[in-house]
Amino acid sequence: DGGITQSPKYLFRKEGQNVTLSCEQNLNHDAMYWYRQDPGQGLRLIYYSQIVNDFQKGDIAEGYSVSREKKESFPLTVTSAQKNPTAFYLCASSISSGITDTQYFGPGTRLTVL
Amino acid sequence: GENVEQHPSTLSVQEGDSAVIKCTYSDSASNYFPWYKQELGKRPQLIIDIRSNVGEKKDQRIAVTLNKTAKHFSLHITETQPEDSAVYFCAATGGGTSYGKLTFGQGTILTVHP
Repeated sequence: DGGITQSPKYLFRKEGQNVTLSCEQNLNHDAMYWYRQDPGQGLRLIYYSQIVNDFQKGDIAEGYSVSREKKESFPLTVTSAQKNPTAFYLCASSISSGITDTQYFGPGTRLTVL
Repeated sequence: GENVEQHPSTLSVQEGDSAVIKCTYSDSASNYFPWYKQELGKRPQLIIDIRSNVGEKKDQRIAVTLNKTAKHFSLHITETQPEDSAVYFCAATGGGTSYGKLTFGQGTILTVHP
């Protein structure tokens, strides 16, 4: 999982602003995922992408948007429509989107809304 | 959809003791069950996984057992060490979905006292 990077590590946002979180991988993985982690809870899926130029909503997609223009990159935009965006955001990737393919996580971005 | 319940939420043991964390899942079609360890502020890291055609898997001090009939799986850590202290997450995937969607448990905070 050293081949997955996320930036920035910490991000502060004012209410009403959109922010974009970066996720890059050099593992040649087809599938990429975005999860949100809140204190005392497990990870919840926001969006996933099985292949370039394709992505699907996860369980909590409202207020978020993504793009997948390159295999290596899967940026997440947290829009002003997301009512409670303060959380730890984790990107993951797997060699394909197969059901038993292991997902490897990036180091995460901690977003705080001021 | 899939629902994963994880118990206990906190677990405190003495160094050298064993620790057991249990998870139940709802969808009988689920067939891949990874366990992740997450240290404070860090990324989740895969420590062991099991697929539905296997009942038990071991890796040094760590083992996972799967009971598909009862729809539960467990993580066993023997001879615990202080560096095992972390949050552990179970997850399940498959379950009728066409991609590797992971549904996570709520996490167990394991503390190993020297």
